[in-house]
Amino acid sequence: EAEVAQSPRYKITEKSQAVAFWCDPISGHATLYWYRQILGQGPELLVQFQDESVVDDSQLPKDRFSAERLKGVDSTLKIQPAELGDSAMYLCASSPLGQGQETQYFGPGTRLLVL
Amino acid sequence: QKEVEQDPGPLSVPEGAIVSLNCTYSNSAFQYFMWYRQYSRKGPELLMYTYSSGNKEDGRFTAQVDKSSKYISLFIRDSQPSDSATYLCAMKLVWAGGTSYGKLTFGQGTILTVHP
Repeated sequence: EAEVAQSPRYKITEKSQAVAFWCDPISGHATLYWYRQILGQGPELLVQFQDESVVDDSQLPKDRFSAERLKGVDSTLKIQPAELGDSAMYLCASSPLGQGQETQYFGPGTRLLVL
Repeated sequence: QKEVEQDPGPLSVPEGAIVSLNCTYSNSAFQYFMWYRQYSRKGPELLMYTYSSGNKEDGRFTAQVDKSSKYISLFIRDSQPSDSATYLCAMKLVWAGGTSYGKLTFGQGTILTVHP
């Protein structure tokens, strides 16, 4: 069964350092999402891609976060510089076209700890 | 006030019990309603998916949506220790043109433990 892949699974960094997370969606899925899940809370959308284009980044802290999906396949989310409050699980999800009736499939997530 | 409210629990029940999980929401434009299960240190996995109001059943799981009350529920019958997880409700908007924006709005999650 096809799955969303993410790496690394765990990342420990010091504040002010740069970190990057990678996501490979299910093959053929045009829509890719990055969510952030703080411990004890539900995931919140950071950015949504349709192919290589950003369609929603309204909740992305653009002063320190950036995301790209250059060829419309895999994606990278970067934080520079990392802050203590960025400690969370970063989840990637994908769906075929981003339409209402579609399921979003989530990857295992990257757990980030900022010291 | 959050758009989607969910009692975080924790909820502890004996094996075989019927479990009821609930969410309320404030945005009447939500049209798609989902329940995800998330095991510790894993990504969410979809359990149930409902469009608009009504009931949907899948094995031991039943999802209910009452749009008039802005209230959704998930029932788990004959609960098992393997059902121990965090349960997240999630919702999606549909724009006037009939195309979903795609973004999921989640509740806080309810931690469920089913003990043998």
